[in-house]
Amino acid sequence: GNSVTQMEGPVTLSEEAFLTINCTYTATGYPSLFWYVQYPGEGLQLLLKATKADDKGSNKGFEATYRKETTSFHLEKGSVQVSDSAVYFCALSDRYSGAGSYQLTFGKGTKLSVIP
Amino acid sequence: SQTIHQWPATLVQPVGSPLSLECTVEGTSNPNLYWYRQAAGRGLQLLFYSVGIGQISSEVPQNLSASRPQDRQFILSSKKLLLSDSGFYLCAFRAYGTHDNEQFFGPGTRLTVL
Repeated sequence: GNSVTQMEGPVTLSEEAFLTINCTYTATGYPSLFWYVQYPGEGLQLLLKATKADDKGSNKGFEATYRKETTSFHLEKGSVQVSDSAVYFCALSDRYSGAGSYQLTFGKGTKLSVIP
Repeated sequence: SQTIHQWPATLVQPVGSPLSLECTVEGTSNPNLYWYRQAAGRGLQLLFYSVGIGQISSEVPQNLSASRPQDRQFILSSKKLLLSDSGFYLCAFRAYGTHDNEQFFGPGTRLTVL
């Protein structure tokens, strides 16, 4: 079956530090890959996505590249801000999941705290 | 534009009381709909999904149930709440015909069972 493994953290960084959150996946088909962000007390927001090998998703200074050879989709940002403090979830969707459910498989989330 | 609403935002209920959480989607037709639960400090657990009116699939056996009385309405219910039902409940949708299968989430309902 499908699975997503991401570093669980928590991760604490100083403002303007470089961020990497590792994510690796196992999938039987040809998954699309996503990063979601959850700010305190809110729902999840789609941060970025990539749908095929070597695609790079980017948004708000965050980037992630779909690496099929290493089955990875690591999230990076060159200079984090206090406002980036949140929980980040890596997820995949296998386009051929059964019965039309189009379920997402999520990692367990990584809590990021950025201190001034 | 597509939007998703959930209510109530917060709810405090005694053990053994009933529950009804509502989710509605605007700006899209025939979406896939999902209910997730997020316990404190933990990841997301898929509870139910629906591919159409009246079609509900359960992922985890429990005392909760779901219904989809209209195309863009998804309801999570319980006849008798347990302490373990406390958590953050999220509704999500996948727009019909989306190639990449991304889901969009509502703001969530914080449920505390005392």
